[in-house]
Amino acid sequence: QVQLVQSGAEVKKPGDSVKVSCKASGYTLTGYYLHWVRQAPGQGLEWMGWINPNPNSGVTNYAQKFQGRVTMTRDTSIRTAYMELTSLRSDDTAVYYCARLPGFWIVVVDDYWGQGTLVTVSS
Amino acid sequence: DIVMTQTPFSLSVTPGQPASISCKSSQSLLHSDGKTYLYWYLQKPGQSPQLLIYEVSNRFSGVSDKFSGSGSGTDFTLKISRVEAEDVGVYYCMQSVQLPLTFGGGTKVEIK
Repeated sequence: QVQLVQSGAEVKKPGDSVKVSCKASGYTLTGYYLHWVRQAPGQGLEWMGWINPNPNSGVTNYAQKFQGRVTMTRDTSIRTAYMELTSLRSDDTAVYYCARLPGFWIVVVDDYWGQGTLVTVSS
Repeated sequence: DIVMTQTPFSLSVTPGQPASISCKSSQSLLHSDGKTYLYWYLQKPGQSPQLLIYEVSNRFSGVSDKFSGSGSGTDFTLKISRVEAEDVGVYYCMQSVQLPLTFGGGTKVEIK
């Protein structure tokens, strides 16, 4: 069955970068859009962006808020997607999720989430 | 960006009683393909969100029929016919008719 397994918790200092991984099993990354969503402590869900499933390009679309600071990539040979966030600030402290989500880009209703990765930014 | 506004912020419900959550969007969620891309999620404590309802009113695989969704355009409702302890958590609406995807602020449901 489909599973998304994320890397472990990270503690970073302001100004650092963090790279979170998301390993897929049960399907190939090139078959589906892969989204990243974050959730600050006690707060709601915030979409960060996606990487599209085109096997030749890995085109991305980022929320404007994260433009210039976020990079989403993938290594199809090991079925792993990555989300790197740079110039970390304390308000980037959050649980980061990778997910397959439903929407206008796909006919099949799809919904799988990773277990989440807590990134703590603190001096 | 489409703003999703959920009410109420929280609900305290007696077991076995119904509950209702409203979600309003700042723009219509009706796509040119005829579908309305409005979803309902439940995030149980300590877990990742899980899909309950897709495209306004369709229960996702394995979801109890006590959950129902309705609405159209910009105005949507999630109803739980009989709230039980296992339904505790935060409910979110989400739109995916256009990017960026956006979520409502969440409604926390607890048991009295």
